[in-house]
Amino acid sequence: KQEVTQIPAALSVPEGENLVLNCSFTDSAIYNLQWFRQDPGKGLTSLLLIQSSQREQTSGRLNASLDKSSGRSTLYIAASQPGDSATYLCAVNDSYKLIFGSGTRLLVRP
Amino acid sequence: EPEVTQTPSHQVTQMGQEVILRCVPISNHLYFYWYRQILGQKVEFLVSFYNNEISEKSEIFDDQFSVERPDGSNFTLKIRSTKLEDSAMYFCASSVGNNEQFFGPGTRLTVL
Repeated sequence: KQEVTQIPAALSVPEGENLVLNCSFTDSAIYNLQWFRQDPGKGLTSLLLIQSSQREQTSGRLNASLDKSSGRSTLYIAASQPGDSATYLCAVNDSYKLIFGSGTRLLVRP
Repeated sequence: EPEVTQTPSHQVTQMGQEVILRCVPISNHLYFYWYRQILGQKVEFLVSFYNNEISEKSEIFDDQFSVERPDGSNFTLKIRSTKLEDSAMYFCASSVGNNEQFFGPGTRLTVL
């Protein structure tokens, strides 16, 4: 059974720092992996999608990498801003369904 | 930009009552999903739907749950007899294929 783990559970950094969020999964037979942002009490905003054949994807200040064989993905956020404060969720696509991690709660201090 | 919409944003119901949560997926998408998130817990898959039938369902999706695409635009989740533990945020999502899934803003269901 696929299990997705995210570390750290929470992170507090000063504005301007570069940071890395980690995601690991137990079964490497995935179709793709998505990173989402969730603001308190709100829906899920898709940030990046990495196909199983890809190694990384970039969108603005965000860069996500995927190492399928080792069951790991990282989300790199460059030059963090207070507006980046949210929970970041990693989800692996296990044949038309997403299996989510518990998320990393990020606070960027001004 | 096209988006998934959900109504209502918040539903309060008494235990044992039936509720219907509504979703309008992105218009050219063919795959539809329901997920739920109990407060403080992970987002959990409930069901996927394609070509007017359920593709896959989780253990959570028991006989109390059903899904329907009653017309060309709506996708609904029905809970026949709500329980206290059904209180959660319910998210609808859609995708073109086995690809990026786009989520709606969610319906917060509170069962009293």
